[in-house]
Amino acid sequence: NAGVTQTPKFQVLKTGQSMTLQCAQDMNHNSMYWYRQDPGMGLRLIYYSASEGTTDKGEVPNGYNVSRLNKREFSLRLESAAPSQTSVYFCASSGAGHNQPQHFGDGTRLSIL
Amino acid sequence: RKEVEQDPGPFNVPEGATVAFNCTYSNSASQSFFWYRQDCRKEPKLLMSVYSSGNEDGRFTAQLNRASQYISLLIRDSKLSDSATYLCVLDSGYSTLTFGKGTMLLVSP
Repeated sequence: NAGVTQTPKFQVLKTGQSMTLQCAQDMNHNSMYWYRQDPGMGLRLIYYSASEGTTDKGEVPNGYNVSRLNKREFSLRLESAAPSQTSVYFCASSGAGHNQPQHFGDGTRLSIL
Repeated sequence: RKEVEQDPGPFNVPEGATVAFNCTYSNSASQSFFWYRQDCRKEPKLLMSVYSSGNEDGRFTAQLNRASQYISLLIRDSKLSDSATYLCVLDSGYSTLTFGKGTMLLVSP
């Protein structure tokens, strides 16, 4: 049982390049999330999708776009990467309802030069 | 008050010790509470949910105090493998969770 799978695990980009981070879950979860984690900042929510067909901004959405492709997949796109977007990105998913914990993928380490 | 506040630590304890972390939160409407652990350069993993009456899972005990708006985690008989960062997490009242920045625990031989 894979849980939440993120690709790629590592990526180095040049400023201005674009790329898409992929996330898929096999737990039939309704909700999916994208976070970034920087030293001393904790986890910050970028975007989330409470259900298939919906997406909403989180705490730090600027510079990112998302697509909920289907129930399983939720991608994060950087259209024009900036050094400030160097971070570790985590995708997570959860079942419906407020009392459901989130389950995380093992992260994408992204460096923007 | 910040949404979720945790002492960043590190808490340095010897093997076998008992250690406790507290976490305070500001959103009185929060209904769901969790403790996650995160190992260095790894993803956060759910350790346990926190229930109103308090709950225990092996060496780990979690407590919730709604009146004072804090939750706690007690670890008994600490193991080397308990070394990690412990994240206090609660629901934001929407479809999202709010994560604390974590408390680092270092267990030494």
